Amino acid sequence: TQLLEQSPQFLSIQEGENLTVYCNSSSVFSSLQWYRQEPGEGPVLLVTVVTGGEVKKLKRLTFQFGDARKDSSLHITAAQPGDTGLYLCAGAGGSNYKLTFGKGTLLTVNP
Amino acid sequence: GAGVSQSPSNKVTEKGKDVELRCDPISGHTALYWYRQSLGQGLEFLIYFQGNSAPDKSGLPSDRFSAERTGGSVSTLTIQRTQQEDSAVYLCASSRDKTYEQYFGPGTRLTVT
Repeated sequence: TQLLEQSPQFLSIQEGENLTVYCNSSSVFSSLQWYRQEPGEGPVLLVTVVTGGEVKKLKRLTFQFGDARKDSSLHITAAQPGDTGLYLCAGAGGSNYKLTFGKGTLLTVNP
Repeated sequence: GAGVSQSPSNKVTEKGKDVELRCDPISGHTALYWYRQSLGQGLEFLIYFQGNSAPDKSGLPSDRFSAERTGGSVSTLTIQRTQQEDSAVYLCASSRDKTYEQYFGPGTRLTVT
């Protein structure tokens, strides 16, 4: 069974601060995704990374896939209250495109 | 275009009753997934449909849970003889053939009293 460990589980910061969320596994994934989920809604896909060492930027968000494709990080620069939500990483390792999700990081950005 | 829709948005049922949850995927998406999410937690995989292939039921927690997908589109998740531990948000997602990106519905919040 492939497992994804996310850390930290909870994070509360002030507007303008930077933060990094981590997603780690002992398994190799063919691709890894990050989702953000707001209360009462389903997760929304932010990014997919597929190549070891890949870095993708989405405005103030920077996503990195580890060289060995076992881990990933999400860095947010100058966090804003609108970034508040549950951040989930999900890995795909098989040919059936089924995803394994981490338990998430609950981020609160205080104004 | 229309996203994934789920109904009902909320369901309160008594322990022991059966419930049916519905998912309408994005038109043209061949893959459909059901997940369960407990309060503030990650997603627990339940079942996966891909085209006409036999569904992957490996995540169903017990034989009280079943799902079907009619005509390759709408799916229904049925929970028989509900228990309090079945209380959770049930999420449905769909995706295009042979892609990893999943698009989620808003979920059905099930409360078993």
